[in-house]
Amino acid sequence: DGGITQSPKYLFRKEGQNVTLSCEQNLNHDAMYWYRQDPGQGLRLIYYSQIVNDFQKGDIAEGYSVSREKKESFPLTVTSAQKNPTAFYLCASSIRGTVNTGELFFGEGSRLTVL
Amino acid sequence: SQKIEQNSEALNIQEGKTATLTCNYTNYSPAYLQWYRQDPGRGPVFLLLIRENEKEKRKERLKVTFDTTLKQSLFHITASQPADSATYLCALLNNAGNMLTFGGGTRLMVKP
Repeated sequence: DGGITQSPKYLFRKEGQNVTLSCEQNLNHDAMYWYRQDPGQGLRLIYYSQIVNDFQKGDIAEGYSVSREKKESFPLTVTSAQKNPTAFYLCASSIRGTVNTGELFFGEGSRLTVL
Repeated sequence: SQKIEQNSEALNIQEGKTATLTCNYTNYSPAYLQWYRQDPGRGPVFLLLIRENEKEKRKERLKVTFDTTLKQSLFHITASQPADSATYLCALLNNAGNMLTFGGGTRLMVKP
C-alpha cells in the first residue's frame, strides 16, 4: 500500500540534544512538508520541499533543519536551538505543490517529548 | 494579520442531527479551501476541496459552502453518526500560493 511512514512514533530526548524524525513516502509525490501541532492549535508549517535538493522555510523554521536528497525522503532535525520542541510533528506530501491544489496526505505523526 | 478562526469549543450534537462547523478567515484571498478530519493521535485526512468560484460542494453526507464575501466556509455533516466524532480542520492556500495554512480545528462529538 502506498503511503507516508513517519518514525519513530514516540521519542523522548534530553534538553540540548538534536533529534531527527524520519519521513518516507512511496506515493511518488513531488512535494513534501513538515508541520508542527501543539494541543488545541492548528498545524504550523516548518519546512516544505517542492522538488529534490530544494526546500523552503515555513512560518516556524527556526531551530529546525531538513534535507531532500531523495524524492521519497524528507527527514526533519530538531536542533538544540529549538526553544520549545515538545510537540506532535506531522509529515505530509502532495502530488505537486500547494499552488496546484494538492491535497495533503499525512503520516501518522511523531510525538516528541523533551525531558 | 492573516487569521483562520474555527470554534475552539467542542460541538456536541445528537446522532441523526446535522452538524455545522464554521471556518472564518481574514486577510486571505484563497484560491481554494480544504477540510480535513483528524482523529486523536493520528494525522489529518483530506475530505473536501472547494474553489473560490464554487458556492457549494457535496460528498455523500458532507456539504461545504464557501462565501468569499463573508470570508467564511461552513462544513455540514447530515445524519451524523458517533463515528463522525473527530476534530475537523479547515485549511487555506496563502496569498503567495505556496503554503497551506490550517485553522485550529473544531472537535465534534456525536452522542448516540
